[in-house]
Amino acid sequence: QVQLVESGGGLVRPGGSLRLSCAASGFSFSNYYMSWIRQAPGKGLEWVSFISDSDSTTYYADSVKGRFTISRDNAKNSLYLQMNSLRAEDTAVYYCARAYQSKYLFDHWGQGTLVTVSS
Amino acid sequence: DIVMTQSPDSLAVSLGERATINCKSSQSVLYSSNNKNYLAWYQQKPGQPPKLLIYWASTRESGVPDRFSGSGSGTDFTLTISSLQAEDVAVYFCQQYYTNPMCSFGQGTKLDIK
Repeated sequence: QVQLVESGGGLVRPGGSLRLSCAASGFSFSNYYMSWIRQAPGKGLEWVSFISDSDSTTYYADSVKGRFTISRDNAKNSLYLQMNSLRAEDTAVYYCARAYQSKYLFDHWGQGTLVTVSS
Repeated sequence: DIVMTQSPDSLAVSLGERATINCKSSQSVLYSSNNKNYLAWYQQKPGQPPKLLIYWASTRESGVPDRFSGSGSGTDFTLTISSLQAEDVAVYFCQQYYTNPMCSFGQGTKLDIK
């Protein structure tokens, strides 16, 4: 079955960096668009970043543009999010999600990894 | 950017009764070339990731009970649970996936048992 497992979250100081990973299994990872979506504690969902199946196209929310970089390694069935210049408002659970039938329609989500930005 | 607004923010419904959640988009999410509404509904239970329930405004995802249904077109949409079960207690989000390069979610509606 489809599985997405995020890792790499933790506590980081403002201005610091963190790299999130998402290990995919149970499907042909290289054939799917992927996104990162985050949820601040007790809040709603915010789309963060998109990457095409071939890695040739990436998009970012304005709130993270210039600070976050999405990438993927199809040989390793893995998705990544490099987060630099972290701010308190980046504190959230970060989910990786698989797109289905449309670029931003998400049929499978990981369990999420918590990123806390605090001094 | 398309803003998604759900109503109400929370509601409590008796077991076996109907629950209705509304979602309004700030602009149409109906794509004229294929006549599809780019609108989805997700269910999120505490400590879990969101789960896709409905897409194209009214298509139920595989495995979703038929008590869940979606309706609407253009800018106004509704998620209906025909007979509320205890396991339906959750937060429900609508999402538009019409725009590129981004999508947006409603603020969520918390559903409880009365």
